[in-house]
Amino acid sequence: SQQGEEDPQALSIQEGENATMNCSYKTSINNLQWYRQNSGRGLVHLILIRSNEREKHSGRLRVTLDTSKKSSSLLITASRAADTASYFCATGLSGTYKYIFGTGTRLKVLA
Amino acid sequence: DTEVTQTPKHLVMGMTNKKSLKCEQHMGHRAMYWYKQKAKKPPELMFVYSYEKLSINESVPSRFSPECPNSSLLNLHLHALQPEDSALYLCASSQAPRGVGYLFFGEGSRLTVL
Repeated sequence: SQQGEEDPQALSIQEGENATMNCSYKTSINNLQWYRQNSGRGLVHLILIRSNEREKHSGRLRVTLDTSKKSSSLLITASRAADTASYFCATGLSGTYKYIFGTGTRLKVLA
Repeated sequence: DTEVTQTPKHLVMGMTNKKSLKCEQHMGHRAMYWYKQKAKKPPELMFVYSYEKLSINESVPSRFSPECPNSSLLNLHLHALQPEDSALYLCASSQAPRGVGYLFFGEGSRLTVL
């Protein structure tokens, strides 16, 4: 399977704390993206990092990419109850239209 | 307009029914996707259309039949489904070619097969 792995599978933190999720993937990629999904809804893209980038920031989000280890991490700082959702990494495979999703992390932020 | 619209939002069908899921986008995206998602699992790629041509079929059973009538529309025709096909079906589109850009998702069609 080309599917990536994410850990942890589930994460429960208090409001104001930081949340870190990790993603590992298997194949050569153009980029790695992170998506958020509220329960039973569509996915919303959060941030994209290209294969030649190592770190990217967007608001409270910080993404890192290590292509030598085929891994990425998403950090959400100063979390809020509204950040409660599932978070998925997705890899755009080189030379194809394929986007393959990781197994996901279910984040719960307690008020 | 940055929306992908899916209809219907909910669908219940029997195993002998024929139904269709519809997806529409007006962002000028030339790649459109169908994903299937079971509860607490990641989306699984089913089909990709690029420039209205089927470019990827992830070995999906023939009871699922995709169609792309034009660059804005994507359909998924359903026939003789099984209860295990019950899932959230997500449509997505992307602008840049060959896995370079974001996916824009619709809200999904939740399918229940009785």
